[in-house]
Amino acid sequence: DQQVKQNSPSLSVQEGRISILNCDYTNSMFDYFLWYKKYPAEGPTFLISISSIKDKNEDGRFTVFLNKSAKHLSLHIVPSQPGDSAVYFCVARAGNQFYFGTGTSLTVIP
Amino acid sequence: DAGVTQSPTHLIKTRGQQVTLRCSPKSGHDTVSWYQQALGQGPQFIFQYYEEEERQRGNFPDRFSGHQFPNYSSELNVNALLLGDSALYLCASSFLSGNSPLHFGNGTRLTVT
Repeated sequence: DQQVKQNSPSLSVQEGRISILNCDYTNSMFDYFLWYKKYPAEGPTFLISISSIKDKNEDGRFTVFLNKSAKHLSLHIVPSQPGDSAVYFCVARAGNQFYFGTGTSLTVIP
Repeated sequence: DAGVTQSPTHLIKTRGQQVTLRCSPKSGHDTVSWYQQALGQGPQFIFQYYEEEERQRGNFPDRFSGHQFPNYSSELNVNALLLGDSALYLCASSFLSGNSPLHFGNGTRLTVT
């Protein structure tokens, strides 16, 4: 039972443009949401998070939006850079347990 | 400030054998969680340790067991290895309370032949 879903396995974007990665979830008990980036042969790296009491959090080029009524989360990267090419995981927490999506592979084309 | 370290980086075992993976958490963190990542999938939660006790467990059989030591480091043990146990095993540390993100090591790649 996949409680966190990333329905786009891959995404390609031109350098300098906006990248939008989407995530849907089913569990209304999730209270904390995170995005991680993963390069091959490395562990996931924390990017940005948002509490369920907020609808937006911004950190430099990265912005996360949360729509609780739609159970939808998105990550915006502006402007996209070639170094952003990686797999991005959407993560949600209920209690002390974190649930991962299946990931979206982002390719930023120079 | 050392981050999360895992050893070994790669391991090859035969079906039926046992394996032990090790993890040292990020300095200051008190909680260690283990995840299994199969190819093309997101990490799946195995279990979480805090104060040397297993606090939560995911949907993994009893062949998977763990331990946390007084210095917060942790071990993951897998008995009676199956071919399907081949995966990347990730250790993550955090604080138990508050909105504390997980910090991951680079993982141990286990291959079972």
